[in-house]
Amino acid sequence: KAGVTQTPRYLIKTRGQQVTLSCSPISGHRSVSWYQQTPGQGLQFLFEYFSETQRNKGNFPGRFSGRQFSNSRSEMNVSTLELGDSALYLCASSPPTGEDTQYFGPGTRLTVL
Amino acid sequence: AQTVTQSQPEMSVQEAETVTLSCTYDTSESDYYLFWYKQPPSRQMILVIRQEAYKQQNATENRFSVNFQKAAKSFSLKISDSQLGDAAMYFCASRGSNYKLTFGKGTLLTVNP
Repeated sequence: KAGVTQTPRYLIKTRGQQVTLSCSPISGHRSVSWYQQTPGQGLQFLFEYFSETQRNKGNFPGRFSGRQFSNSRSEMNVSTLELGDSALYLCASSPPTGEDTQYFGPGTRLTVL
Repeated sequence: AQTVTQSQPEMSVQEAETVTLSCTYDTSESDYYLFWYKQPPSRQMILVIRQEAYKQQNATENRFSVNFQKAAKSFSLKISDSQLGDAAMYFCASRGSNYKLTFGKGTLLTVNP
């Protein structure tokens, strides 16, 4: 099976712009989670989707949003980018039942100038 | 809320030797899961080992094993016969009923030839 894929792998934006990141889960996985990784704050949970519904959300401002499509692919959007949004954004998917392990993609490195 | 603490920011080990990485956690839930993930410089987060809290038996995956002390809320990772490819940042994580992973700050493992 192919692993979790994330596009793009690298992104450079300027302050005030918005950005959309994409995540394709492992085939058959219906849960997709997003995390932000920075040197200062470490790994922080953004949100989790299951069957197109957001089940949990982390403590991030409303500028961070996400959605999940019927094929389980997910996107996250950050509007009005700030310098502090520069980070590695990781997506993870989980199998539909039983196992609770999250399998991660390679991440998208976002740089805000 | 769950918290995860890794008290060793950096560790080093000689090739072929054994090293133990420490992790403590706190949770109010009775049903939860614990994980160790590895993140090499390539940054892809890779699952190392998984432990279900209701299982008393310590999980083992080849050269990797855990010492799960539920009463003490301790979850250490032992790497036997260390290899150069084991060099990475190791993250301890917990997952409760809210679908999100809570990560520790990580331990950077260096393997010396």
